[in-house]
Amino acid sequence: QSVLTQPPSVSGAPGQRVTISCTGSSSNIGAGYDVHWYQQLPGTAPKLLIYGVTNRPSGVPDRFSGSKSGSSASLAISGLQAEDEANYYCQSYDSSLSGWVFGGGTKLTAL
Amino acid sequence: EVQLVQSGAEVKKPGESLKISCKGSGYSFFGYWIVWVRQMPGKGLEWMGSIYPDNSNTRYSPSFQGQVTMSADKSVSTAYLQWSSLKASDTAMYYCARLSCSSPTCSLPTHWFDPWGQGTQVTVSS
Repeated sequence: QSVLTQPPSVSGAPGQRVTISCTGSSSNIGAGYDVHWYQQLPGTAPKLLIYGVTNRPSGVPDRFSGSKSGSSASLAISGLQAEDEANYYCQSYDSSLSGWVFGGGTKLTAL
Repeated sequence: EVQLVQSGAEVKKPGESLKISCKGSGYSFFGYWIVWVRQMPGKGLEWMGSIYPDNSNTRYSPSFQGQVTMSADKSVSTAYLQWSSLKASDTAMYYCARLSCSSPTCSLPTHWFDPWGQGTQVTVSS
């Protein structure tokens, strides 16, 4: 049972917009801690996708965007492409655990 | 280029010991926290703990406290994760990553994990 809750899977047709939710609590996202997102392509290490809720590292397409409200955060992917098929993980800091926590991961499928 | 390179895959028997490594390059290794992350087969990511190479200050997740030992040798820009007695349930992919932030004055909880090492597969089987 992960501290942050994500849907196990989402899907969309190429070109569509999909969103992945990440629900936390008052000891992590709700406490004001930043949310970060990682993309893990099959058979590879995770890669930073979004940091500090809304910021994209250099090289990440602007099709990817992040937001946060209360104890939840979301990752939006617009103009879905086949190459976006991957597992996506949200992450935040938890004051109760005094450490970093992840969501359980969401598998994105491009139909 | 900031890079973390991990040691190769390991196959061990239950009860054996193991030490895997994570070598940093392209930045001042001693000045950034390194974290270790476990990914069990078909599962998600779990933060195991963190180490600050400059003084070897460590912080362990409660789930991994006492189960593993983290260390670092800043003279060779390398962090280590070790087990004294492996169990089958330790079979997983292990990643190291650097804690990063946009400002030198960031508080630790503000940091994110970037970059990541390529991972070390550990298989424990009799």
